[in-house]
Amino acid sequence: QQQVRQSPQSLTVWEGETAILNCSYEDSTFDYFPWYWQFPRESPALLIAIRPVSNKKEDGRFTIFFNKREKKLSLHITDSQPGDSATYFCAASPSSGQKLVFGQGTILKVYL
Amino acid sequence: DPKIIQKPKYLVAVTGSEKILICEQYLGHNAMYWYRQSAKKPLEFMFSYSYQKLMDNQTASSRFQPQSSKKNHLDLQITALKPDDSATYFCASSPPWGVNQDTQYFGPGTRLLVL
Repeated sequence: QQQVRQSPQSLTVWEGETAILNCSYEDSTFDYFPWYWQFPRESPALLIAIRPVSNKKEDGRFTIFFNKREKKLSLHITDSQPGDSATYFCAASPSSGQKLVFGQGTILKVYL
Repeated sequence: DPKIIQKPKYLVAVTGSEKILICEQYLGHNAMYWYRQSAKKPLEFMFSYSYQKLMDNQTASSRFQPQSSKKNHLDLQITALKPDDSATYFCASSPPWGVNQDTQYFGPGTRLLVL
């Protein structure tokens, strides 16, 4: 049973456009939602994270929108750059020091 | 300097053999984890340790055994290797209670190929 789902599986945008990556979860006990990005042949790296006490978290061009009632969140990347091309993973954790449950990832390609 | 060291970077093994994947972190973290990533599955949690004690085990097979000889070490022993074990194994760690306690930092990974 996939507890964290991501869509779309892949996404292509042009440079300067806004990319929107979606994520949903099932477990109401999840309390921490990080997004990781991963470049080919590299390890996942934390990009931005949010807790349910907030419905929005912004860091530069990256913004998480969180809807606790619907158990959905999305990552918006404004002014997309070719260097943003990577696989983006939505993850969830019930509390600190516990496992991260990852979605299957969204492959983002940003073209010039 | 890398803060999480995983050795070896690449590993080729024959079916039925046994290998140990090494992980050392120099971030002063108390919690360490193992994850697996393959073409068939996304990042998959395997184990978590805190202060050298096993906290969570999501690996059904006893062929996978974590070993913690020091608080900044968490090795992974895999016995009776199978081709399906081929994957990249990531070690991760997170800091003690505090502002960034939930942030898990991933090591560079060990790519295992079982023939």
